[in-house]
Amino acid sequence: DAMVIQNPRYQVTQFGKPVTLSCSQTLNHNVMYWYQQKSSQAPKLLFHYYDKDFNNEADTPDNFQSRRPNTSFCFLDIRSPGLGDAAMYLCATRHRATDTQYFGPGTRLTVL
Amino acid sequence: AQSVTQLGSHVSVSEGALVLLRCNYSSSVPPYLFWYVQYPNQGLQLLLKYTSAATLVKGINGFEAEFKKSETSFHLTKPSAHMSDAAEYFCAVSNFGNEKLTFGTGTRLTIIP
Repeated sequence: DAMVIQNPRYQVTQFGKPVTLSCSQTLNHNVMYWYQQKSSQAPKLLFHYYDKDFNNEADTPDNFQSRRPNTSFCFLDIRSPGLGDAAMYLCATRHRATDTQYFGPGTRLTVL
Repeated sequence: AQSVTQLGSHVSVSEGALVLLRCNYSSSVPPYLFWYVQYPNQGLQLLLKYTSAATLVKGINGFEAEFKKSETSFHLTKPSAHMSDAAEYFCAVSNFGNEKLTFGTGTRLTIIP
């Protein structure tokens, strides 16, 4: 089935140790999103790509970076994770001609 | 500007009872409205959406929602709750040409056996 895939599902890192989360999609959608979701909260948009155009949210910390090498893949890099960055990270995709975002299963990040 | 308000961060219903989760929106242009469900340690799954077609929208798992412009509401209902409905439910709004979703704060639904 066409879908949004996130790897790994669970990631443990140490305080200050860079970490990369991966998202891939077989939907051929041109818009890809990264959200951060903390416990019992709504997802918070970090940034999104419209094709290759990167759109950062104003309140996204500089510690968070993203790369989209091609249509199918998008990466979230956290350069120096802090304890406050422990969260579920959700990737979503959308086709430019539609209104609906499709979410992956998420990566739960633990920072020790 | 757009926003969503979900009344009730926690809702408990008995198995077999009616489920009603409330969502009110604010939007300066005609809205697109969505309900997503999230099970523990999972991503968000689309339940249903309203995009200016029929005001009564049917979704998966027996859920439906009615768009009421006069009340700026998009409440989610299910006639008979099942144990498997226990999850977090998010209402969200966007509009034509807007690439972003604005989420409500979520409602945790608990089903009482």
